[in-house]
Amino acid sequence: EAGVVQSPRYKIIEKKQPVAFWCNPISGHNTLYWYLQNLGQGPELLIRYENEEAVDDSQLPKDRFSAERLKGVDSTLKIQPAELGDSAVYLCASSLVAGSGSYNEQFFGPGTRLTVL
Amino acid sequence: QKEVEQDPGPLSVPEGAIVSLNCTYSNSAFQYFMWYRQYSRKGPELLMYTYSSGNKEDGRFTAQVDKSSKYISLFIRDSQPSDSATYLCAMKGDAGGTSYGKLTFGQGTILTVHP
Repeated sequence: EAGVVQSPRYKIIEKKQPVAFWCNPISGHNTLYWYLQNLGQGPELLIRYENEEAVDDSQLPKDRFSAERLKGVDSTLKIQPAELGDSAVYLCASSLVAGSGSYNEQFFGPGTRLTVL
Repeated sequence: QKEVEQDPGPLSVPEGAIVSLNCTYSNSAFQYFMWYRQYSRKGPELLMYTYSSGNKEDGRFTAQVDKSSKYISLFIRDSQPSDSATYLCAMKGDAGGTSYGKLTFGQGTILTVHP
């Protein structure tokens, strides 16, 4: 079974330019997450989708970041304009929807490493 | 102060050593406790998870949770060079709570096992 697919794997842009990342979750996983991982830190959640609905976007900097998950499958995360501090790894993860008292593993993609010059 | 604290190391041990990795947390709502392993330029992969308190063993790995102290540990027995990676603890709450659905990670501990 294919895992979470992300592209591109690496991206180098100049500040103030736009950039977009794409994620295709594991087939059948209706929950999708975008995490930000700074160097030497653990991942931090940016946004969580249940199907097409963004159910938690409280940590997404909405002045420059946007995300969409049309048709409830793959997703795109965009930054416009990018700033130097956005240099980081952007991880996508997916899972099944958990019922009460159960645990559903989040499977992570390899990430997109963004460098803003 | 962060909700989850983890010593970043780095930790360097000889092959065959017992490794102890630890995290502390402050959010009493956390009920699921996970350990992820992350190799360089890869995404995190789940090693083990524990629900509520107690111990869980899987091969050379043992996870312990002490909710009264808000302290979790991962022990690696007979460590191998292939265990060299960053180990991340992660936590989340139960369904219905505000901390459910997202993982809160520690900073990660860099482990090197040398032959």
